[in-house]
Amino acid sequence: DIQMTQSPSSLSASVGDRVTITCRASQSISSYLNWYQQKPGKAPKLLIYAASSLQSGVPSRFSGSGSGTDFTLTISSLQPEDFATYYCQQSYSTPVHFGQGTKLEIK
Amino acid sequence: EVQLVESGGGLVQPGGSLRLSCAASGFTFSSYEMNWVRQAPGKGLEWVSYISSSGSTIYYADSVKGRFTISRDNAKNSLYLQMNSLRAEDTAVYYCARALVDSYGHFDYWGQGTLVTVSS
Repeated sequence: DIQMTQSPSSLSASVGDRVTITCRASQSISSYLNWYQQKPGKAPKLLIYAASSLQSGVPSRFSGSGSGTDFTLTISSLQPEDFATYYCQQSYSTPVHFGQGTKLEIK
Repeated sequence: EVQLVESGGGLVQPGGSLRLSCAASGFTFSSYEMNWVRQAPGKGLEWVSYISSSGSTIYYADSVKGRFTISRDNAKNSLYLQMNSLRAEDTAVYYCARALVDSYGHFDYWGQGTLVTVSS
């Protein structure tokens, strides 16, 4: 199985901040890396797929980068609606494990 | 509008069974691979099972293998999860999620989830 490790597990930031979340795969997954946002009581929402492709309708302040084993999700200027939990997921091979999540909180 | 609507959750005793359903609409269901993902209370996301667009290929997480069965009916635009020999650790919100065939396998739409509680 390919394991996914996110860091940090939690993060406090302010509106307007630039934030970066990191995801590392236990082996190379090429660009088969996806990012999701989840708010309390809601289903996850796809933000980024194939490491750097922005899902339709997602604001351009979200961006993704990386390939192989190391990936990042960047939010260029935090907005109030961005405070949520973020998950990475590898879709290179089954089982398609998720990272443990990064909870982004208001400072 | 794409919609995935799960149903069938509820309270069940350990060792019992439940069948979850996911009704799809607003897209060509037979063109999509489907998955079940669960989330235990206060925990992260755990992939549970996958079924190909035709139903010919199926995968399970080790945690549910031999107890859960995924299936689909493309004529009825529906996905199912038969859950047997349920354990307390199966308590979670269960989501169905779609992935386009020949895509990067990302889950672009999710249902709202259905809660399964396994308790005596």
